[in-house]
Amino acid sequence: DTGVSQDPRHKITKRGQNVTFRCDPISEHNRLYWYRQTLGQGPEFLTYFQNEAQLEKSRLLSDRFSAERPKGSFSTLEIQRTEQGDSAMYLCASRGRSDTQYFGPGTRLTVL
Amino acid sequence: RKEVEQDPGPFNVPEGATVAFNCTYSNSASQSFFWYRQDCRKEPKLLMSVYSSGNEDGRFTAQLNRASQYISLLIRDSKLSDSATYLCVVNLGTGGFKTIFGAGTRLFVKA
Repeated sequence: DTGVSQDPRHKITKRGQNVTFRCDPISEHNRLYWYRQTLGQGPEFLTYFQNEAQLEKSRLLSDRFSAERPKGSFSTLEIQRTEQGDSAMYLCASRGRSDTQYFGPGTRLTVL
Repeated sequence: RKEVEQDPGPFNVPEGATVAFNCTYSNSASQSFFWYRQDCRKEPKLLMSVYSSGNEDGRFTAQLNRASQYISLLIRDSKLSDSATYLCVVNLGTGGFKTIFGAGTRLFVKA
């Protein structure tokens, strides 16, 4: 257990529904990342927060995706109007002063 | 061309073997480099950072060649527990704003 938690661990939804995932980073870490991982691929960078500021956002993050970190602690990732192609593992990682990222267990999304 | 490329494997080796993985990256502005390990259906975990001078941690040795934009990982005396996917990771820019993972190399160590 790295100290990063994600909720829920699994989510099954129907196409067109909205979903929201939560990440709680290690408490003293001010940097937070979201990634998406599909089978046989490495994690793909989605977005990066330093404290509450979203400093980097991948082109992979379409208009249907939004992420927030309102108080610089936990973060949420919302996907609107889900599509079958959104099915993946969504990983959150936090980082303190070192370069090491600590990953949460992920949320596995299945869109039917 | 992918920003970080790895041989997907799988590498099937017997216990006690030495195995080497390679990784190339395309962005010369890459600042820091890592190897992560990912077990099946688990999250990635840091194995080791990679420094220009090369570094060793027990049975694991990592090397970086900035001129060739190439990173390597050597595992000596392989154990059954080394079976996993090894991910090459590159941070772009200072502060690691954007992190690029390779697709991973699968390793199976057999008794």
